[in-house]
Amino acid sequence: DIQMTQSPSSLSASVGDRVTITCRASQSIGNYLNWYQQKPGQAPKLLIYGASSLQSGVPSRFSGSGSGTDFTLTVSSLQPEDFATYSCQQSSSTPWTFGQGTKVEIK
Amino acid sequence: QLQLQESGPGLVKPSETLSLTCTVSDGSISSSSYFWGWIRQPPGKGLAWIGTIYYRGTTYYYPSLKSRVAISVDTSKNQFSLMLSSVTAADTAVYYCARGNSGKRDAFDIWGQGTMVTVSS
Repeated sequence: DIQMTQSPSSLSASVGDRVTITCRASQSIGNYLNWYQQKPGQAPKLLIYGASSLQSGVPSRFSGSGSGTDFTLTVSSLQPEDFATYSCQQSSSTPWTFGQGTKVEIK
Repeated sequence: QLQLQESGPGLVKPSETLSLTCTVSDGSISSSSYFWGWIRQPPGKGLAWIGTIYYRGTTYYYPSLKSRVAISVDTSKNQFSLMLSSVTAADTAVYYCARGNSGKRDAFDIWGQGTMVTVSS
């Protein structure tokens, strides 16, 4: 299995902050990396696919980058509705695997 | 906008079989551009892929679950289903069905709301 490791596991930030979350794959996955946002009691929501493509309807303050084994999700200016858990997922090869999640909390 | 809805028992006894159905509405399950998956999330933990099915019936499963899991599709009802046998407390989780999009690097772009399944006697 390809292991996906996110860092940090949690972070505290203020509205307006720039936030960066890292996801590392245990082997190269090209750009088959997707990012999801999940709020308590809700289903995950696709934010970024293919490492850097913004899903339709997702605000442009979200961006993704990287290829191979190292990826980042950046929120350029954190908004109140962005406090949530973010998870990466590799879709390069089965079994598809997720990172453990990064919880973004209000400072 | 296509929607997914999970249905099935919320409580399953240990050693029995968990059975869930996902109904696809406002869209067709029979498209070569998409595939259909099950993902679960134990309480307080991360997401875990269970398996995927294409509308023609090809399946892929998480290796450690392969001996216990079966995913099937019923195109006439626009549904796909999950069966997980010999369940234990470790199978307690929120179960999500989702649509995978081949045009978006196989990302899961539409999810059901999820259904909590508890394994307990």
